[in-house]
Amino acid sequence: SQTIHQWPATLVQPVGSPLSLECTVEGTSNPNLYWYRQAAGRGLQLLFYSVGIGQISSEVPQNLSASRPQDRQFILSSKKLLLSDSGFYLCAEQGNYGYTFGSGTRLTVV
Amino acid sequence: QKEVEQDPGPLSVPEGAIVSLNCTYSNSAFQYFMWYRQYSRKGPELLMYTYSSGNKEDGRFTAQVDKSSKYISLFIRDSQPSDSATYLCAMRTGGFKTIFGAGTRLFVKA
Repeated sequence: SQTIHQWPATLVQPVGSPLSLECTVEGTSNPNLYWYRQAAGRGLQLLFYSVGIGQISSEVPQNLSASRPQDRQFILSSKKLLLSDSGFYLCAEQGNYGYTFGSGTRLTVV
Repeated sequence: QKEVEQDPGPLSVPEGAIVSLNCTYSNSAFQYFMWYRQYSRKGPELLMYTYSSGNKEDGRFTAQVDKSSKYISLFIRDSQPSDSATYLCAMRTGGFKTIFGAGTRLFVKA
């Protein structure tokens, strides 16, 4: 079975500061990986997905970016955070039947 | 019109009640249908997976898919306080992207 590691669990950052969220996957090779954002009371918004090292597809144009430097590592970044970047960020791996999600990072931009 | 519509609730029921959760969708190309359960401040976990139309039962949970009506349901029998969570429907075609509903918050009162 797959295990998704995400950290940190909670993060408070000032507007204009940089961001780096890391996700690592155990238990599978060449996984399809995803970054989602969940705003309070709303559904999951797909931000990026990756089918392999160095391959990133962006779903929503914004000041966020993603990278996949290793097979089991997926990173979400920003050079300058906006207030609207606040939310619950989830990394996920697509298995045969559905996603396995990480425990998420709650980001508050102040 | 959203691709997937889900009533956000909240839905409050007494312990032991039968719970019915529903989603409608507009894209007839969806083939894979999922239900996820999300506890507060946690990542979603896959609860049920169904391919195409039909019913699937797993313990107290039953998932139904009616592709002709573009309507899916999740039934929870003998609901327990531990079932209190947000339930997200999700669906996809054969591709990489999964579309989520907004989630329904369920409270089961002891």
